[in-house]
Amino acid sequence: EDQVTQSPEALRLQEGESSSLNCSYTVSGLRGLFWYRQDPGKGPEFLFTLYSAGEEKEKERLKATLTKKESFLHITAPKPEDSATYLCAVPNWAGGTSYGKLTFGQGTILTVHP
Amino acid sequence: GAVVSQHPSWVICKSGTSVKIECRSLDFQATTMFWYRQFPKQSLMLMATSNEGSKATYEQGVEKDKFLINHASLTLSTLTVTSAHPEDSSFYICSARFMGITSTDTQYFGPGTRLTVL
Repeated sequence: EDQVTQSPEALRLQEGESSSLNCSYTVSGLRGLFWYRQDPGKGPEFLFTLYSAGEEKEKERLKATLTKKESFLHITAPKPEDSATYLCAVPNWAGGTSYGKLTFGQGTILTVHP
Repeated sequence: GAVVSQHPSWVICKSGTSVKIECRSLDFQATTMFWYRQFPKQSLMLMATSNEGSKATYEQGVEKDKFLINHASLTLSTLTVTSAHPEDSSFYICSARFMGITSTDTQYFGPGTRLTVL
């Protein structure tokens, strides 16, 4: 069974204080890892998809990286508007077929103080 | 990015009534959509997979007669909460599966619907 674990559960940063969020996974064969951002009372917003170890993607102050066991979401010089819950997820595959279902981690609640 | 809408964004109803929530993919066709439920401070819980033109597949423990799902077109799926009770109050979120040309496979989420049953 696929498992996704995120750490820390909560992270409090000062504005401008860079840090990283971790997403470790156990899957039978990785076929993609997704990062989402979720604001309170809203649906998750797609950020990145990573497909292979060594891959990196960037968007503004965020950079996602992937190894064979984990993914990191690096936040450089965060601003208060980066405060949100960050979710990572992996697609479920059964018998060589994906039905699109995702296994989510519990999320990291990021709070950036001005 | 692809856009998914939900309607209504919030609804309040009396116990025993039924409520319908719509989920639309606005700029792409989605043969598969998903319905999630989210409790405060918890991650998303998948309720069911909605496939266009066929019956929905429900996760274990989800009552299919209470949560009716219809995926009548490639851009619309509906979730009807039948005979709603206060314990059905929750945040319901849909997502649509986007299959890209370059073998990308991504889920895009709607903004969610807050259901309150009195």
